[in-house]
Amino acid sequence: GENVEQHPSTLSVQEGDSAVIKCTYSDSASNYFPWYKQELGKRPQLIIDIRSNVGEKKDQRIAVTLNKTAKHFSLHITETQPEDSAVYFCAASNSGGSYIPTFGRGTSLIVHP
Amino acid sequence: NAGVTQTPKFQVLKTGQSMTLQCAQDMNHNSMYWYRQDPGMGLRLIYYSASEGTTDKGEVPNGYNVSRLNKREFSLRLESAAPSQTSVYFCASSDLSGDSYEKLFFGSGTQLSVL
Repeated sequence: GENVEQHPSTLSVQEGDSAVIKCTYSDSASNYFPWYKQELGKRPQLIIDIRSNVGEKKDQRIAVTLNKTAKHFSLHITETQPEDSAVYFCAASNSGGSYIPTFGRGTSLIVHP
Repeated sequence: NAGVTQTPKFQVLKTGQSMTLQCAQDMNHNSMYWYRQDPGMGLRLIYYSASEGTTDKGEVPNGYNVSRLNKREFSLRLESAAPSQTSVYFCASSDLSGDSYEKLFFGSGTQLSVL
């Protein structure tokens, strides 16, 4: 089955800095890569996703890049703000197969004011 | 439109007790899931239901059973709770069509402690 590795497990930045979270996946058939944000005590919520037919996608201060050859994808947050502090999860799934997402273990992002 | 609703929010059990976690969604999604979240372990799939009438094991099914009561409801049962089942449980739903294609929508979670 699919295996998703996520790094780092903890990331501490100053407000205004950029943050990058990286994930690798093992199944070359995976073609859908969502990112979920979970604020303390809340439910995970989708913030951005990318499919294997594109290499990059942006939504305001967040962006995701995908390298299919290397089987890795990354979340980029620019101009970080304290409200970006949360746990971020990457996931991978195969739309044409089981479609069940496999999650990484999460990255705790702390943005210091 | 409430999305995914889970009950209860908190529960304390003694070892050996049983309980059922309830989940309902009002988005007409076909697929529903139960995950558990433990520190440093991410979200691990317990069971899922691809459509009404079907259920399948996920990564960590031991000690759990599920029922897909109808298209809206998917319950998780612990027959004999163990301390290792202390965790936060999330129900989720998704669909394979429309704007929510493959996107998971989560409930608010159940914090379960087994003493």
